[in-house]
Amino acid sequence: QLVLTQSPSASASLGASVKLTCTLSSGHSSYAIAWHQQQPEKGPRYLMKVNSDGSHRKGDGIPDRFSGSSSGAERYLTISSLQSDDEADYYCQTWGTGIHYVFGTGTKVTVL
Amino acid sequence: QVQLQESGPGLVKPSETLSLTCAVSGYSISSGYWWGWIRQPPGRGLEWIGNIYHSENTYYNPSLKSRVTISVDTSKNQFSLKLSSVTAADTAVYYCARVSVVTGFGLFDYWGQGTLVTVSS
Repeated sequence: QLVLTQSPSASASLGASVKLTCTLSSGHSSYAIAWHQQQPEKGPRYLMKVNSDGSHRKGDGIPDRFSGSSSGAERYLTISSLQSDDEADYYCQTWGTGIHYVFGTGTKVTVL
Repeated sequence: QVQLQESGPGLVKPSETLSLTCAVSGYSISSGYWWGWIRQPPGRGLEWIGNIYHSENTYYNPSLKSRVTISVDTSKNQFSLKLSSVTAADTAVYYCARVSVVTGFGLFDYWGQGTLVTVSS
């Protein structure tokens, strides 16, 4: 079964960096994922697609402070130079056999 | 710039049918792309409902498939969601989104702001 696992929360200080992890379930380590940001009381916003080789492709207008990478079954989102409006929930999403879409449980980022 | 806007009743009675519409601007639905619906129960994560392409192809979440219908109205540049026999468990914010297939991988690249639907008598 295709499952994405995310830590419930992460935090870092204003101006620092934070690295979020999305782990693909066993047997799915070659899958790409997409990262989405959901600020409080807003709809999600597409950030980027991250491939198994670590290459990534960002959505329109996404700043360079956001970057993606991979290692094995883990896909990462790194946010540098944290700003207050980066405080949000971050979801990873993938696409499986039978054209089914799966979301992770989300990571809540707090900017200290 | 592609924009999506959901609309529909905010309150639906149990056992009735939930109906929502997503109006698309900045892009013609008939030109391509898949279009989809996703929901988020209060305080919880995102759940994919289903997608449609050109009124001809639809894919639904297996857990909802028996109750879901997604359709397209190209003349109005909008697509719609119907979810039948609703219960309190269907209370959620419903989002519509455009689906972009990049090198064989589907992702949601533009989202609406969402609309809250509450199921209650």
